[in-house]
Amino acid sequence: EIVLTQSPGTLSLSSGGRVSLSCRASQSVSGNYLAWYQHKPGQAPRLLIFGASSRATGIPDRFSGTGSGTDFTLTISRLEPEDLAVYYCQQYSRSPYTFGQGTKLEIK
Amino acid sequence: VQLQESGPRLVKSSQTLSLTCTVSGDSFSVGDSYWSWIRQPRGKGLEWIGHISYSGSSYYNPSLKSRVTMSVDTSKIQFFLQLSSVSAADTAVYYCAREVVARGGMDVWGQGTTVTVSS
Repeated sequence: EIVLTQSPGTLSLSSGGRVSLSCRASQSVSGNYLAWYQHKPGQAPRLLIFGASSRATGIPDRFSGTGSGTDFTLTISRLEPEDLAVYYCQQYSRSPYTFGQGTKLEIK
Repeated sequence: VQLQESGPRLVKSSQTLSLTCTVSGDSFSVGDSYWSWIRQPRGKGLEWIGHISYSGSSYYNPSLKSRVTMSVDTSKIQFFLQLSSVSAADTAVYYCAREVVARGGMDVWGQGTTVTVSS
């Protein structure tokens, strides 16, 4: 299976800032079939990005995804307090689908 | 479209966990979607259990394959998860989610249901 490694494990940033979250795959994610999710406590995960760089419906342009092959990045600009969450990457190029272990984003 | 998980919140060790995901708000698109089950043990990350299509074609995570069965009732627009021989390690929040095949990514999720395995 494809193992996804996210870094860093935890980030603490100020509102208004910009952050980049990394997701590295143990083997190439064909078709760039990679998604990013935002997961807040007590809520269901929310799809942010699919196909490595396409924003899901209703997702603001503060969220952007880049990357290909084995290296992918989620960038969040103009951080807001509501961005406090754990962010997961997930590959769907090869079964079983796998998730990264998550990056926890804290807003100062 | 909305998804809602339902089923027993407490299951005894060695028994079978059974959950239902009910789809509402939209037609059950033939061939358009896969319907996944995902779980999250307390304090841990997300684990994909497997998925099933409208036609009943399924794929299970090899880590759980020997214990998992998924099925679908198209007349009621529901799909089902059964996990046999449960242990404390299966205590988790269980989610169902939709994946639109042509696009990828799971864009609609249920709110999740917590299942506790007791001894």
